Amino acid sequence: DAGVTQSPTHLIKTRGQQVTLRCSPKSGHDTVSWYQQALGQGPQFIFQYYEEEERQRGNFPDRFSGHQFPNYSSELNVNALWLGDSALYLCASSPNPNTEAFFGQGTRLTVV
Amino acid sequence: GESVGLHLPTLSVQEGDNSIINCAYSNSASDYFIWYKQESGKGPQFIIDIRSNMDKRQGQRVTVLLNKTVKHLSLQIAATQPGDSAVYFCAENLDYGQNFVFGPGTRLSVLP
Repeated sequence: DAGVTQSPTHLIKTRGQQVTLRCSPKSGHDTVSWYQQALGQGPQFIFQYYEEEERQRGNFPDRFSGHQFPNYSSELNVNALWLGDSALYLCASSPNPNTEAFFGQGTRLTVV
Repeated sequence: GESVGLHLPTLSVQEGDNSIINCAYSNSASDYFIWYKQESGKGPQFIIDIRSNMDKRQGQRVTVLLNKTVKHLSLQIAATQPGDSAVYFCAENLDYGQNFVFGPGTRLSVLP
């Protein structure tokens, strides 16, 4: 049983560009959340998707958007990249919105 | 969200000793807590969880204690092993959903 899988594992983008990160949840999980983890810090909640809708959102600007597909997979899009967006982006899934979140390995985004 | 420095608190223990990692959480209304372990280059790994209607929960070699009076969590690891070396995060759930707020993390270093 595959866990949470994310792609790509590493990515380098130029300031001002746009990026799309992808996540496939653990089998049987229908809730997907995205977190940003800057170097040396704990993960920070970006948003949660359930039933193809954004259900909760953290303190992130509108440049961060997402989508959930009928098969529960999800995308995170970031527009107009800043240098400060460089971080590890983590996807987490859970079998319902209020249980433990299982994390993927993350996508390391570097903005230059 | 949380704002923490680059220099994580570090706990060094001898192999075979017990470890105690502490965490102060921020919101007295939080009702669900998780301890995560994160190894270098990997996503956080679920260790153990506890709900606010409990004050203690035990797993395999790990115990979580919750003191709601002082908003304090602790993770006890019995017979610490080299494979336990990692950064440990506590996470609290502020409301129904996946908006987990992570603590600053503690680096556990196991000495041979």
